[in-house]
Amino acid sequence: EVQLVESGGGLVQPGGSLRLSCTTSGFTFSSSAMSWVRQAPGKGLEWVSTISDSGGSTYYADSVKGRFTISRDNSKKTLYLQMNSMRAEDTAIYYCAKGDGMNVWGQGTTVTVSS
Amino acid sequence: DVVLTQSPLSLPVTLGQPASISCRSSQSLLYSDGNTYLNWFQQRPGQSPRRLIYKASNRDSGVPDRFSGSGSGTDFTLRISRVEAEDVGVYYCMQGTHWPPFTFGPGTKVDIK
Repeated sequence: EVQLVESGGGLVQPGGSLRLSCTTSGFTFSSSAMSWVRQAPGKGLEWVSTISDSGGSTYYADSVKGRFTISRDNSKKTLYLQMNSMRAEDTAIYYCAKGDGMNVWGQGTTVTVSS
Repeated sequence: DVVLTQSPLSLPVTLGQPASISCRSSQSLLYSDGNTYLNWFQQRPGQSPRRLIYKASNRDSGVPDRFSGSGSGTDFTLRISRVEAEDVGVYYCMQGTHWPPFTFGPGTKVDIK
């Protein structure tokens, strides 16, 4: 069974940093692109970032470009999202999703940016 | 960026009756490889999103056959043949043809009358 488990969320002050992790199992992680998608409270889904299977290609939404960095460790089957210079509008549930087709999602981790 | 619009945004339905959600794209979602990268997701209350349909009309494994997707170019439809109580939630379309960025529709909230 494919499983994705996010962690690392929490409360952070504006301008602060946080690193999210997504640990995976049940599929060949090194052969799959991976994505992060977020959902602000009471709002819809917003794509954040995608990384290729090798990690050699990364893509970002304009809203996070230059502040967030997606990465992966294929030996650990883990996906990461480093979030810097955080803003109140980054407050959301962050989901990792398998592939660029997003066929499997984790349960999400909550990030709150507030002073 | 591709803009997806969904209608209706709210859909009260009667149990056992059919339901239909439209998703329209600001540009054709037909890719040069012949595929149309339009997905449908279901998000039940308090849960993560779950993909139901990929490439416009292909049902994901484990998805009940009362769900079907159709359409091409810029117009797409998700149909539920007979709504059940467990179908309550928000439904999103998403395009993966012209990315980055991937874009989602605003969502359609389905509830029971």
